[in-house]
Amino acid sequence: GAVVSQHPSWVICKSGTSVKIECRSLDFQATTMFWYRQFPKQSLMLMATSNEGSKATYEQGVEKDKFLINHASLTLSTLTVTSAHPEDSSFYICSARGVAGDLYGYTFGSGTRLTVV
Amino acid sequence: LAKTTQPISMDSYEGQEVNITCSHNNIATNDYITWYQQFPSQGPRFIIQGYKTKVTNEVASLFIPADRKSSTLSLPRVSLSDTAVYYCLVGDPLVQGGKLIFGQGTELSVKP
Repeated sequence: GAVVSQHPSWVICKSGTSVKIECRSLDFQATTMFWYRQFPKQSLMLMATSNEGSKATYEQGVEKDKFLINHASLTLSTLTVTSAHPEDSSFYICSARGVAGDLYGYTFGSGTRLTVV
Repeated sequence: LAKTTQPISMDSYEGQEVNITCSHNNIATNDYITWYQQFPSQGPRFIIQGYKTKVTNEVASLFIPADRKSSTLSLPRVSLSDTAVYYCLVGDPLVQGGKLIFGQGTELSVKP
């Protein structure tokens, strides 16, 4: 089945620094990738949607200058948390989607636990 | 996108059948119903998907009444390893770039 690899699985960074999270579709071409954030005991919150070769579309309330998303190829999307602060500490999850029409087309990465100290 | 409503939590015991019902009163004609499972500190995992009536796979069954305003995920003979959060989502998989919006999910706790 489809596999999405997300790295790193966890990262600790100092306040004010930037962190990059990678999301790769290993055996299919991801025309669309999604980034979610999840706080403890809460559901996944969609942050942004990115289509290969175009700018990401951010959900309301998500700062596009803080959460930079790049979807340069059909197998790779990156999320960069810029000037991270402790309140950015969260669990970040990516999801990749293949060609529309594939009923099982949403595959999730294993998530990245970000801790900002 | 259709909004979904699920119980916040459920308790069960090993070996029992668990049924989790999801309400989606505003489901659109082209929407499918999909259930995901999430363990702590992991990404969601696809369980089952359906459009109407009944769908069964090796891990679960999905029952959808004729009006499609609700659906029930059935987990036969649960074990401790089925303790997780279960999410019901509705959406049109044929929409290119269609996004998945998660509701609150149901936290299932399976006890010995």
